[in-house]
Amino acid sequence: GESVGLHLPTLSVQEGDNSIINCAYSNSASDYFIWYKQESGKGPQFIIDIRSNMDKRQGQRVTVLLNKTVKHLSLQIAATQPGDSAVYFCAENRRQTGANNLFFGTGTRLTVIP
Amino acid sequence: GAVVSQHPSRVICKSGTSVKIECRSLDFQATTMFWYRQFPKQSLMLMATSNEGSKATYEQGVEKDKFLINHASLTLSTLTVTSAHPEDSSFYICSARQDKNTEAFFGQGTRLTVV
Repeated sequence: GESVGLHLPTLSVQEGDNSIINCAYSNSASDYFIWYKQESGKGPQFIIDIRSNMDKRQGQRVTVLLNKTVKHLSLQIAATQPGDSAVYFCAENRRQTGANNLFFGTGTRLTVIP
Repeated sequence: GAVVSQHPSRVICKSGTSVKIECRSLDFQATTMFWYRQFPKQSLMLMATSNEGSKATYEQGVEKDKFLINHASLTLSTLTVTSAHPEDSSFYICSARQDKNTEAFFGQGTRLTVV
């Protein structure tokens, strides 16, 4: 299944299917992006990151794709499991005066149906 | 990944009192620490960024006299919510990064309830 983080904040998938979570970022100067997973009542947990000089990066069961032309980021989760149920945020690293700050997208709630 | 410890995890305080939240990087030196606020079912909103030994940089709309941030060492930052009111009730999360172009690691969050 697919979602657009800003317009469809929930995504339900069957266990074993692949999930695709999308994120649009706003600042063309952002040079580094991170996907985080947040479970209820906890802080975000790092999943995978990608720098702006790359368009794809793979981890264990996860792949991040970056399209700088349209300022779009996606997270693909292969063989989704019940433990993947959480809210997923993309974060962009924006260079600001004197600092590099991390700003978070809206988030997408992923629910895995057993 | 690196460990960031945030304390307390939950706090209930009376309206008008102040509350201090601590954020510690346990196994790395954090040149930068971030403080976020999160309302239910919403994203993390950056409140301020602090660099060790210098004043925090606050995002627009965040009152620096109300949310005091101190980053006294490379492993500790504190957020003090002064004269707390019920509308300050929220989930506050800190994060820390070692270098400016690396991932940030997050604390467990602090659920603040002002009654």
